[in-house]
Amino acid sequence: AQRVTQPEKLLSVFKGAPVELKCNYSYSGSPELFWYVQYSRQRLQLLLRHISRESIKGFTADLNKGETSFHLKKPFAQEEDSAMYYCALSGYGNKLVFGAGTILRVKS
Amino acid sequence: EPEVTQTPSHQVTQMGQEVILRCVPISNHLYFYWYRQILGQKVEFLVSFYNNEISEKSEIFDDQFSVERPDGSNFTLKIRSTKLEDSAMYFCASRAISGLAVYEQYFGPGTRLTVT
Repeated sequence: AQRVTQPEKLLSVFKGAPVELKCNYSYSGSPELFWYVQYSRQRLQLLLRHISRESIKGFTADLNKGETSFHLKKPFAQEEDSAMYYCALSGYGNKLVFGAGTILRVKS
Repeated sequence: EPEVTQTPSHQVTQMGQEVILRCVPISNHLYFYWYRQILGQKVEFLVSFYNNEISEKSEIFDDQFSVERPDGSNFTLKIRSTKLEDSAMYFCASRAISGLAVYEQYFGPGTRLTVT
């Protein structure tokens, strides 16, 4: 079975503080992992994918196959990072399986 | 930058009525998807569509649901007889595919369906 777990519904941090949004997955094969972001009143958009190993808007995520995790990190949070973040897995069939999402609130 | 569009943005219908949700995927994309998100719950996969046929569907996608690509641009989701529990945000997505490369899915803004 394909499953994505995001244990935190809400993460609240102060501006300039480090951020880590947790994501764990369950999949028997070799998955592709993604982070999607949804800013207020906007559509879901891709933030990053593990296969490209790039940093977008200062965010990075490393796939840890041993721990089946794909945590999203940013060293210094900014107010404009406030949004809903979804971790998603794409396996066989290429559909996306989403986690429940984590609301990130960055306080000034 | 090209975007996936969806109409209407909000649809209110009575239980038992048929609804059609419309999507215009990005023009050179070949894979199309419908997802839904019931309020307060996670985004769930409904169906994927490729080469004019369903390639995968979830348990949610029962006989009440159907998809169609009636022309070269639109991709529709029909619910034949809506139920209260069909109330949700419905997202359309599309992606390109070229050889072995897999590209990201681009999402539309969603249609909020309210069944009364």
